[in-house]
Amino acid sequence: NAGVTQTPKFRVLKTGQSMTLLCAQDMNHEYMYWYRQDPGMGLRLIHYSVGEGTTAKGEVPDGYNVSRLKKQNFLLGLESAAPSQTSVYFCASSYFVAGSYEQYFGPGTRLTVT
Amino acid sequence: GENVEQHPSTLSVQEGDSAVIKCTYSDSASNYFPWYKQELGKRPQLIIDIRSNVGEKKDQRIAVTLNKTAKHFSLHITETQPEDSAVYFCAASQDRDDKIIFGKGTRLHILP
Repeated sequence: NAGVTQTPKFRVLKTGQSMTLLCAQDMNHEYMYWYRQDPGMGLRLIHYSVGEGTTAKGEVPDGYNVSRLKKQNFLLGLESAAPSQTSVYFCASSYFVAGSYEQYFGPGTRLTVT
Repeated sequence: GENVEQHPSTLSVQEGDSAVIKCTYSDSASNYFPWYKQELGKRPQLIIDIRSNVGEKKDQRIAVTLNKTAKHFSLHITETQPEDSAVYFCAASQDRDDKIIFGKGTRLHILP
């Protein structure tokens, strides 16, 4: 099992450009999440999905869109990148078993917007 | 919505001593409290979690305690070792809501 993978690992964008980050999981998890991690700010939830075809807003959704067309994939889109979106982006997936929602994180994508 | 506060932001502990990290949450409906460890340059990984019907849970050198009345929970690491150096995140969630809200993290340094 590859677990949770993210593409790309690094990216540099100019202000105003668009891009899509891909998250894939092979564990048949229902739930998937996108977080951003900034120094001193912890992990902030951007958007999440509780199943194929569903999406919901998290704590900091502005400037991002998501889609979950297939159960194993969760895409994060930036339509018009801004320097404030420079961050490390983590995808995670989880399932509920025995009272636990363990989240499995991907390796992260480091995005720089200039 | 839920808000999770975590203290301290940085903690330095002599190797072999104990470390304690504290978190508070705002939503009394939260009933699931995980702790994640993130080593430098790596992804966060779950190290222990607790549900609201339990007051304490232990796993070898780590333990978590929960006080539902005061809405706070803590991570305790005993006999600290160099490999415990990392950033630790607490989080809170509730069954009817599928998202987990994280604290801002504590950077733990184990001093030789």
